[in-house]
Amino acid sequence: NAGVTQTPKFQVLKTGQSMTLQCAQDMNHNSMYWYRQDPGMGLRLIYYSASEGTTDKGEVPNGYNVSRLNKREFSLRLESAAPSQTSVYFCASSEPMTGRGNQPQHFGDGTRLSIL
Amino acid sequence: GNSVTQMEGPVTLSEEAFLTINCTYTATGYPSLFWYVQYPGEGLQLLLKATKADDKGSNKGFEATYRKETTSFHLEKGSVQVSDSAVYFCALRGGGNTGKLIFGQGTTLQVKP
Repeated sequence: NAGVTQTPKFQVLKTGQSMTLQCAQDMNHNSMYWYRQDPGMGLRLIYYSASEGTTDKGEVPNGYNVSRLNKREFSLRLESAAPSQTSVYFCASSEPMTGRGNQPQHFGDGTRLSIL
Repeated sequence: GNSVTQMEGPVTLSEEAFLTINCTYTATGYPSLFWYVQYPGEGLQLLLKATKADDKGSNKGFEATYRKETTSFHLEKGSVQVSDSAVYFCALRGGGNTGKLIFGQGTTLQVKP
């Protein structure tokens, strides 16, 4: 069971470089999410896509862009990396809320990104 | 806005000790509540959930009860094992159809043999 797959697992960038983090899910979920995890701050939502063809900003969108390429794939792009974007990035997917919305999110293993 | 507050960590316990990790929330309406666990080097896994007041979520010996009167969702386990060492996150999902989760800051649990 692949679930949610993120690539790459590790990456080191120099300030100003760009890169795209890839995420794919094989559970036929409609909704996908990108979070960043920083020490002592839990996970914070960067962007999400409630369904194919839609994207919306989360809590900390500045410096990022996203693309919902199709139902399976949701990529996160850093156009000009900054040291403040050093973090662990997690992608997640879920079914959309129905009724009381108890559909859990499924997470990938994360991308550990360091920006020098 | 919605928010989740967890007790500060790390929490260090001996094997077979009783565990409580406190979680309180602020939210409008009737959120769903979750506990996720993160083992070293891995992503988050859903541990348990509760979707309405007085619901009790349980899994792998862990339990949490949705207390609307105290806006709390404390995680408990009667006897912890070394393999329970991980980071635990409390989270809520509010209304609307986006499915967005609001996470607490996470609590690190270390269980010593």
